[in-house]
Amino acid sequence: EIVLTQSPGTLSLSPGERATLSCRASQSVSSRFLAWYQQKPGQAPRLLIYETSTRATGIPDRFSGSGSGTDFTLTISRLEPEDFAVYYCQQYGSSPPAWTFGQGAKVEIK
Amino acid sequence: QLQLQESGPGLVRPSETLSLTCTVSGGSVSSSSYYWGWIRQPPGKGLEWIGTIYYSGSTYYNSSLKSRVAISIDTSKNQFSLKLSSVTAADTGVYYCARLAWGVGFDPWGQGTLVTVSS
Repeated sequence: EIVLTQSPGTLSLSPGERATLSCRASQSVSSRFLAWYQQKPGQAPRLLIYETSTRATGIPDRFSGSGSGTDFTLTISRLEPEDFAVYYCQQYGSSPPAWTFGQGAKVEIK
Repeated sequence: QLQLQESGPGLVRPSETLSLTCTVSGGSVSSSSYYWGWIRQPPGKGLEWIGTIYYSGSTYYNSSLKSRVAISIDTSKNQFSLKLSSVTAADTGVYYCARLAWGVGFDPWGQGTLVTVSS
């Protein structure tokens, strides 16, 4: 079973700053099957990025994803007030079919 | 616009079975393009995938829950359901249903429903 470890656990930044979140897999993950979600308090998660770097419908271009193998990154180029939230990476593994989430990373206002 | 809505008891006794239903509107659970999934979130913690079902009835379960989980689909009602047996306090949390596009991810999600396991 693939384990996803996100870092840092909490990122304290100011609006306008750049946020870089890491997701490391315990073994190689297909870049086709790596996604990122955003969750705000009291809300369901929202899909941000899929296939490592493709933005979901309606997601602003300040969100970008990159990576391959075991190391993946979500970057928010300039933080807007609505971007302060918890972010999860998620992967799909095929043997057996299973979907795994990272433990989450919080971006908080400094 | 596709919408999903979870429903079911908010309180379940320990050792009993948790049963939830997800009703889909604005789309069909019979679509061959999508799968349907359940994900849960204990209070203050992260997301845990529970299981996934296809319209044909094929299912995939989290290995840590497999012995207690059953997911089914009712295409006539445009619903899919979750049963989790022998629950304990560790099963308390918000349960979400979501549509899964293979190779894309879970999108959209239902609003979630809080299930508390307590006597």
